[in-house]
Amino acid sequence: KQEVTQIPAALSVPEGENLVLNCSFTDSAIYNLQWFRQDPGKGLTSLLLIQSSQREQTSGRLNASLDKSSGRSTLYIAASQPGDSATYLCAVTAGNQFYFGTGTSLTVIP
Amino acid sequence: GAGVSQTPSNKVTEKGKYVELRCDPISGHTALYWYRQSLGQGPEFLIYFQGTGAADDSGLPNDRFFAVRPEGSVSTLKIQRTERGDSAVYLCASSLNGAGGRETQYFGPGTRLLVL
Repeated sequence: KQEVTQIPAALSVPEGENLVLNCSFTDSAIYNLQWFRQDPGKGLTSLLLIQSSQREQTSGRLNASLDKSSGRSTLYIAASQPGDSATYLCAVTAGNQFYFGTGTSLTVIP
Repeated sequence: GAGVSQTPSNKVTEKGKYVELRCDPISGHTALYWYRQSLGQGPEFLIYFQGTGAADDSGLPNDRFFAVRPEGSVSTLKIQRTERGDSAVYLCASSLNGAGGRETQYFGPGTRLLVL
């Protein structure tokens, strides 16, 4: 069974810092990898989707990379802002299912 | 419609009772997914509908859980004889064409279920 791990579980940074969130998965046979943001009491918002044939995707201050052979992905956030505070989840797709990590709780301190 | 909606937003019930959770997907989306998220965990897949049929129900934990989507739009997740361990946030998502999990899924805000 696919297992997805996210490190660190929690991260606190001062405003303006660049930061990296890590995601690893055990089975490289995936269709894609997706990064989500979850705010307290809310659903998930998709941030970036990387197809298995791609190496990275960028959206604004966010950049996600995928190394399928090593089972790793990173989410890079540039010039962090207090509004970036949330839980970030990565999920890999295999078959019909998403397999989610447990998330990284990010706090950006003003 | 704007996005995926779920009702109720919160549900408190007693152990042994029956509950129904409703999901309204984005209009025109053929695929619908249910997930369960326990405190401090990532969402866990429960079931995937393509149109009216359950294409994959391998995530349902036991036969107390059942879901339907009779007209290929709204879906209802049904839990019989609820147990305290069923307490979680139940998330619904939809996607345009299905294709398994290969395209972006759009999530609703979830229903927070508490079984006392």
